[in-house]
Amino acid sequence: EPEVTQTPSHQVTQMGQEVILRCVPISNHLYFYWYRQILGQKVEFLVSFYNNEISEKSEIFDDQFSVERPDGSNFTLKIRSTKLEDSAMYFCASSSPDRDEQYFGPGTRLTVT
Amino acid sequence: RKEVEQDPGPFNVPEGATVAFNCTYSNSASQSFFWYRQDCRKEPKLLMSVYSSGNEDGRFTAQLNRASQYISLLIRDSKLSDSATYLCVGGGGNKLTFGTGTQLKVEL
Repeated sequence: EPEVTQTPSHQVTQMGQEVILRCVPISNHLYFYWYRQILGQKVEFLVSFYNNEISEKSEIFDDQFSVERPDGSNFTLKIRSTKLEDSAMYFCASSSPDRDEQYFGPGTRLTVT
Repeated sequence: RKEVEQDPGPFNVPEGATVAFNCTYSNSASQSFFWYRQDCRKEPKLLMSVYSSGNEDGRFTAQLNRASQYISLLIRDSKLSDSATYLCVGGGGNKLTFGTGTQLKVEL
């Protein structure tokens, strides 16, 4: 069964550093998403991406964040200058053009020290 | 008011019991609804989509009432492996809106 993959599984970084989280969506999916979940809290939407453009973004997704599809398979989330409050689990998801269901990757745990 | 609201639980039930979870939503822009399951420190996994006509998948039945803005999930004959957090999710536009989840613990 095809699945979304994410690397790394855990990233530790110092405050102020840049991080790039990587995702490989399901191969025939065209819509891609990033969500985050702070420990003990609910899953929150960050951004959706389609046809090489951001479709929608939340208030959390400020100028420190950017997304990119650098090639035909990867989808990345970059945080330019990490803050302590960016510590969370970051989930990538994808969906097919004809269905609303989104499928999630295993997540990257980001720890900012 | 929260967009998707759930009782956080925990619901502690014996194996074999029937358990029901409810969820209300406030954003009428949500067009589609889902139940996801999340195990501790894992990703949300799609359990089932929810339709106004109701849908059933084995031991799981989901129902949507758009007039009352209410979604339910019924689990029959619960198993130990059903222990998890159940997330009520609304979909609209290009994003999913998650509830905080209801924790289920199935015990021997």
